[in-house]
Amino acid sequence: DTGVSQDPRHKITKRGQNVTFRCDPISEHNRLYWYRQTLGQGPEFLTYFQNEAQLEKSRLLSDRFSAERPKGSFSTLEIQRTEQGDSAMYLCASSLRTDSVYTFGSGTRLTVV
Amino acid sequence: TQLLEQSPQFLSIQEGENLTVYCNSSSVFSSLQWYRQEPGEGPVLLVTVVTGGEVKKLKRLTFQFGDARKDSSLHITAAQPGDTGLYLCAGGGTNAGKSTFGDGTTLTVKP
Repeated sequence: DTGVSQDPRHKITKRGQNVTFRCDPISEHNRLYWYRQTLGQGPEFLTYFQNEAQLEKSRLLSDRFSAERPKGSFSTLEIQRTEQGDSAMYLCASSLRTDSVYTFGSGTRLTVV
Repeated sequence: TQLLEQSPQFLSIQEGENLTVYCNSSSVFSSLQWYRQEPGEGPVLLVTVVTGGEVKKLKRLTFQFGDARKDSSLHITAAQPGDTGLYLCAGGGTNAGKSTFGDGTTLTVKP
């Protein structure tokens, strides 16, 4: 297993467009997390899954954000009608259910112009 | 809401110096992790601590978890330019739920 993979690494989009990011976790890990990070800040929690079930979603997350993990393996994060404030690094991480030790992907850098 | 405060926010030192960075909270955590992040990459785990008062050493890095499991420190001995990066602490949630991250300490080690 080569770790957590995220695609694309970089995305530039125009304001108002929809974007979708993909995350492939470590295969033995049944928990998958999405975080967002802006310059000078630590990762901010967005949502997480245990297998295919979405267990928690941040109250700060608007309705424009949606995430899925349909078969308990890879996950997608979609942002509809992007805004300039959505520009950030979107990080995916996975872990075993029994601990809080995360393995992160390299992230997707989103720039909304 | 569990918050983690890290200090200092920025630290710039010369190669060979020692340093300590801190991670403090008013909340108790079941475990605490330290990560190091380089620009344009995701954080990479350095260590996890779970027992109050625990001390772990990783080569030149020494991690300590407070007795009350609310705070932690990271000490680096004889810093090297390769230690440059963003150091993040994260508090493990109850029942291994989501972790809360601090805003990090940006360390620059000059040759």
